[in-house]
Amino acid sequence: SQTIHQWPATLVQPVGSPLSLECTVEGTSNPNLYWYRQAAGRGLQLLFYSVGIGQISSEVPQNLSASRPQDRQFILSSKKLLLSDSGFYLCAWRTQGADTGELFFGEGSRLTVL
Amino acid sequence: GQNIDQPTEMTATEGAIVQINCTYQTSGFNGLFWYQQHAGEAPTFLSYNVLDGLEEKGRFSSFLSRSKGYSYLLLKELQMKDSASYLCAAVDSNYQLIWGAGTKLIIKP
Repeated sequence: SQTIHQWPATLVQPVGSPLSLECTVEGTSNPNLYWYRQAAGRGLQLLFYSVGIGQISSEVPQNLSASRPQDRQFILSSKKLLLSDSGFYLCAWRTQGADTGELFFGEGSRLTVL
Repeated sequence: GQNIDQPTEMTATEGAIVQINCTYQTSGFNGLFWYQQHAGEAPTFLSYNVLDGLEEKGRFSSFLSRSKGYSYLLLKELQMKDSASYLCAAVDSNYQLIWGAGTKLIIKP
């Protein structure tokens, strides 16, 4: 069966510090991978998605970046965090080519920037 | 622009029935998802509708009217564990999901 894990689950970072969130998927090959941010009272905001190794599409211009160094690994990074980066970050995967297929989410990472 | 509207919060009684509505405006339409999200947890899949009509899955049913840009999630025989947020998401012409802000459902004994 397929599983998805992301970490860390919770982190508190000062403004201007770097960020790295990691997500891995097991039990499937060549998945579509997604990073979302969920702010209180707002819908899920798509940040990045990837259809393959090294292929990253950015939906929202900001100080975040994403990388996919391996088929089932997706990393969200920032060099300098802003207060507005606080939120609940969710990694998700979907079967390649299943454009209306179910999204499977990781456990989420709660980021607080102080 | 693209927009998804759903009520912010609803309250219902254990054992009762509740209907959560969702209206959408998207550039193109390729179906609609409902997800359940307990506080602090990841969303989990409930249903997907692409054709008009009602789809039933146990205590949960989802309805879609493409001509009206409208969907609802119907929860029957409510249990305390159904207290959660319910997220509506429409799939646009680029097969991207457009998410609503979610409806927080509070179940009272």
